[in-house]
Amino acid sequence: NAGVTQTPKFQVLKTGQSMTLQCAQDMNHNSMYWYRQDPGMGLRLIYYSASEGTTDKGEVPNGYNVSRLNKREFSLRLESAAPSQTSVYFCASFRDRAVNEQFFGPGTRLTVL
Amino acid sequence: AQSVAQPEDQVNVAEGNPLTVKCTYSVSGNPYLFWYVQYPNRGLQFLLKYITGDNLVKGSYGFEAEFNKSQTSFHLKKPSALVSDSALYFCAVRDDRGSTLGRLYFGRGTQLTVWP
Repeated sequence: NAGVTQTPKFQVLKTGQSMTLQCAQDMNHNSMYWYRQDPGMGLRLIYYSASEGTTDKGEVPNGYNVSRLNKREFSLRLESAAPSQTSVYFCASFRDRAVNEQFFGPGTRLTVL
Repeated sequence: AQSVAQPEDQVNVAEGNPLTVKCTYSVSGNPYLFWYVQYPNRGLQFLLKYITGDNLVKGSYGFEAEFNKSQTSFHLKKPSALVSDSALYFCAVRDDRGSTLGRLYFGRGTQLTVWP
């Protein structure tokens, strides 16, 4: 099992450009999450998807959109990137029992100039 | 509302000494508590969790955590620190109710440095 994979690993954008961060999991998990990590802020939830076809906003959804393409894949899109979106982005998945832990991808380091 | 506090941004210990990384939580229902570790330029790795049962939970790499309901704490401990334990540690709590099932609330992280 590859677990949770993310592409790309690194990306540099100019202000106003758009891009999509890809995430896939091969553990047959229903729930998937997108977080951003900023120094001193911990991880903040951007969007999550409790099942295929559903998405919900987290703490910091502004400036982002998501698509749950199928059970495996959950993408995060920045339509018009801003410097404030410079961050490390993590995708995670979860098997639907409260006792279970989330599994994280390796992250995407995004810089917006 | 669910929340986690990690009161120390940094913890420094000498190799071989015991270490403690502190965490307190606030949750409406029953707490499901987790510790994750992040090594430089890597994703988060699961260390251990408290669901129910014994208050002392054992996890990966010799770490353990003590759940204290009266103090709403879940401190991470290790009897003898290694230089390789140096990393960023996150405490997280789960909301076990309804539509938000699975959602984790993270602390801000504690940077652990173990010096030789």
